Amino acid sequence: GENVEQHPSTLSVQEGDSAVIKCTYSDSASNYFPWYKQELGKRPQLIIDIRSNVGEKKDQRIAVTLNKTAKHFSLHITETQPEDSAVYFCASGYSTLTFGKGTMLLVSP
Amino acid sequence: NAGVTQTPKFQVLKTGQSMTLQCAQDMNHEYMSWYRQDPGMGLRLIHYSVGAGITDQGEVPNGYNVSRSTTEDFPLRLLSAAPSQTSVYFCASRPLTGGRTDTQYFGPGTRLTVL
Repeated sequence: GENVEQHPSTLSVQEGDSAVIKCTYSDSASNYFPWYKQELGKRPQLIIDIRSNVGEKKDQRIAVTLNKTAKHFSLHITETQPEDSAVYFCASGYSTLTFGKGTMLLVSP
Repeated sequence: NAGVTQTPKFQVLKTGQSMTLQCAQDMNHEYMSWYRQDPGMGLRLIHYSVGAGITDQGEVPNGYNVSRSTTEDFPLRLLSAAPSQTSVYFCASRPLTGGRTDTQYFGPGTRLTVL
């Protein structure tokens, strides 16, 4: 089955800095790559997703890039704010989703 | 729309007890799934369904049963609870877009403790 590796497990940045989280996947049939944000005690919320026919997608301060040849995709957050502090999960799949183990992002004022 | 709802929010069981976690969605989504979330482990798929009467196993199905009699409801049954099943359980749903994965919506979760 699909295997998704996510790095780093924790990431601390100063407010205004950029943050990058990286994921690799194993199944070349995967064609959908969402990113979820989960605040403490809350449900995961989709923040951005990308399909395999697209190399990059941007939504305001958030962007995702996909390299299908290398089987990796990344989440980029620019101008980080304290409210960006949360756990971020990447996922990959075709009909079912396999999740990475998460990255705890801490943005300090 | 209420989206995806789950009951109960919290539950404490004793080892060996059985219970059913309820999940319902009002978005007419064909695909529904159950995940468990443990610290440092991400979300792991337990069971999923692509429509009424159709269910399949995910990555960690042992100790859990599911059924799908209607489009709206997808209950998860713990037959004989074990401490290893202590976790947060999330139900999710999405439209079935030609079989490919699409935006998935999560319920608020059920925090289960097995003593």
